[in-house]
Amino acid sequence: SQQGEEDPQALSIQEGENATMNCSYKTSINNLQWYRQNSGRGLVHLILIRSNEREKHSGRLRVTLDTSKKSSSLLITASRAADTASYFCAHGPNYNQGGKLIFGQGTELSVKP
Amino acid sequence: GAGVSQSPSNKVTEKGKDVELRCDPISGHTALYWYRQSLGQGLEFLIYFQGNSAPDKSGLPSDRFSAERTGGSVSTLTIQRTQQEDSAVYLCASSLPNWGSYNSPLHFGNGTRLTVT
Repeated sequence: SQQGEEDPQALSIQEGENATMNCSYKTSINNLQWYRQNSGRGLVHLILIRSNEREKHSGRLRVTLDTSKKSSSLLITASRAADTASYFCAHGPNYNQGGKLIFGQGTELSVKP
Repeated sequence: GAGVSQSPSNKVTEKGKDVELRCDPISGHTALYWYRQSLGQGLEFLIYFQGNSAPDKSGLPSDRFSAERTGGSVSTLTIQRTQQEDSAVYLCASSLPNWGSYNSPLHFGNGTRLTVT
């Protein structure tokens, strides 16, 4: 299977704490994306990081990419109860092929007020 | 502007019946995707349309599953002779064109929850 893995599967923290989620993948990639899914809803795109980038920021989100280890991490700083959701990483099937995205199993984040 | 619209939002059907799920993508998005998500699981790729190119059907789990995209816009996912294991949320997404090896960000609908009894 080309599907990557995310860990932890579930994470529970208090408001104000930082949350870190990790994603590993198996192929060479051109770019990697992170998505968020609230319960009963579709996924929402958060951030895209290209293979030649090592770190990217968007508001309270920080994404890192280590292509040598085939891994990425998503850090949410100063978490809020509204950040409670599932978070997924996704990438193309290989470096040379665009198109379909392969999603990880996701990390379920619970932020307690 | 309007996002990706899926209908129906919920569908309950009896085992053995056929179902059709509809997806209206964002206007101007030439790429369209179908994914399946079982309870508490990740997304399973089903099929991908890109413009006038032949669709990538590599994720369809069996020949009971098919999808069409008419006029480069609306798409219909059809499941024939439904089975209980087909119960899941079916998610549609659209995006701007994917050029070369680049993956355009996806915009998802809220899905159709299919229950096969």
